[in-house]
Amino acid sequence: DAGVTQSPTHLIKTRGQQVTLRCSPKSGHDTVSWYQQALGQGPQFIFQYYEEEERQRGNFPDRFSGHQFPNYSSELNVNALLLGDSALYLCASSGQDSRSEGYTFGSGTRLTVV
Amino acid sequence: GQQLNQSPQSMFIQEGEDVSMNCTSSSIFNTWLWYKQDPGEGPVLLIALYKAGELTSNGRLTAQFGITRKDSFLNISASIPSDVGIYFCAGLMYAGGTSYGKLTFGQGTILTVHP
Repeated sequence: DAGVTQSPTHLIKTRGQQVTLRCSPKSGHDTVSWYQQALGQGPQFIFQYYEEEERQRGNFPDRFSGHQFPNYSSELNVNALLLGDSALYLCASSGQDSRSEGYTFGSGTRLTVV
Repeated sequence: GQQLNQSPQSMFIQEGEDVSMNCTSSSIFNTWLWYKQDPGEGPVLLIALYKAGELTSNGRLTAQFGITRKDSFLNISASIPSDVGIYFCAGLMYAGGTSYGKLTFGQGTILTVHP
């Protein structure tokens, strides 16, 4: 049973460019959340998608946007990249029974902005 | 963004020793979670706590949900080299009247175990 799958694993972008990160949730999960983890810090909540809509959002600018597809997979888009956007981006999925499973994380996408 | 106060920031211990780390918050949470993160990987869930006062074990790991719902601790007994990694606490607060929410993480405790 595949867990949460994220792609790509690593990415280097130039300031001002746009980037799209992808996530496939664990089988049976229908909710996808995105987190940003700066070096030496804990993950910070970006937003959560359920039924193809953004259900909750953290304190991130509008440059961060997302999408969820009918198969529950999700994309994170970041426009006008800044050096400070360099981080590990984590996708977490959960299902209706999130109480017993918690949130399952993928291995992340390491984004470097130069 | 908000983060929980997790301590200590790092620990250097000998194999076989016990370890204790804790997390505090100014806000209450519905659920407390403890994760371990290895280099290049995402966090892996170790223990989940759902009720104030709850004490839960998972092998050599024991965690408690504080009575005030604003704190939690994690103990690791008889540490072994593979316990090395970064441990994160996380609090889950449900969005008003719902059964879903976002995770708020601590800054992590870096654990080093010397053989």
